[in-house]
Amino acid sequence: DGGITQSPKYLFRKEGQNVTLSCEQNLNHDAMYWYRQDPGQGLRLIYYSQIVNDFQKGDIAEGYSVSREKKESFPLTVTSAQKNPTAFYLCASSISLAGGLYNEQFFGPGTRLTVL
Amino acid sequence: SQQGEEDPQALSIQEGENATMNCSYKTSINNLQWYRQNSGRGLVHLILIRSNEREKHSGRLRVTLDTSKKSSSLLITASRAADTASYFCATDGRGTSGSRLTFGEGTQLTVNP
Repeated sequence: DGGITQSPKYLFRKEGQNVTLSCEQNLNHDAMYWYRQDPGQGLRLIYYSQIVNDFQKGDIAEGYSVSREKKESFPLTVTSAQKNPTAFYLCASSISLAGGLYNEQFFGPGTRLTVL
Repeated sequence: SQQGEEDPQALSIQEGENATMNCSYKTSINNLQWYRQNSGRGLVHLILIRSNEREKHSGRLRVTLDTSKKSSSLLITASRAADTASYFCATDGRGTSGSRLTFGEGTQLTVNP
């Protein structure tokens, strides 16, 4: 059963705490992404990675960190420096080809993070 | 900066009617994609249209692309209550590295039984 999974589905954090969101894929995709979605809005790119041990900042990277030690895994840490972390977080993956002509993205089910 | 912008922001129709959503973008693209999101879920890819294509069909979906106007439309024919969802366009801009997409704000479609 191929796909992309995220855990946990719901996460509650106290102010000042770091939390890590998990994202795993078994699609053998090279590229992985993290997006943030606020209510009624579109997706904003936090970080993306096109290959193991390499990643780039997206549009709203401040207060977040990532790692890509394995092809299958791309965890996101929401640090205490993120001022307003309450949001819906989506992870995605895609085949990464030159020119991006075949870059359909496959999404996980999301993690809803709430800061108490 | 947001590349794609959908119009309208919200659309409410009756079952059996057609639904049309529009997307405008600002810079040259390699391709444009449409995604669907049910409430509280991840996005699901619907269709991809390349910059050298003008129209594409998939089941009840029809997508058009006008690169001269930098716009695309998604038509859902004979809509069903199960089509109720948010629909997003996403562009892969020329010159951007690798496979990064930029998503619009989305159109919330409600199909009433």
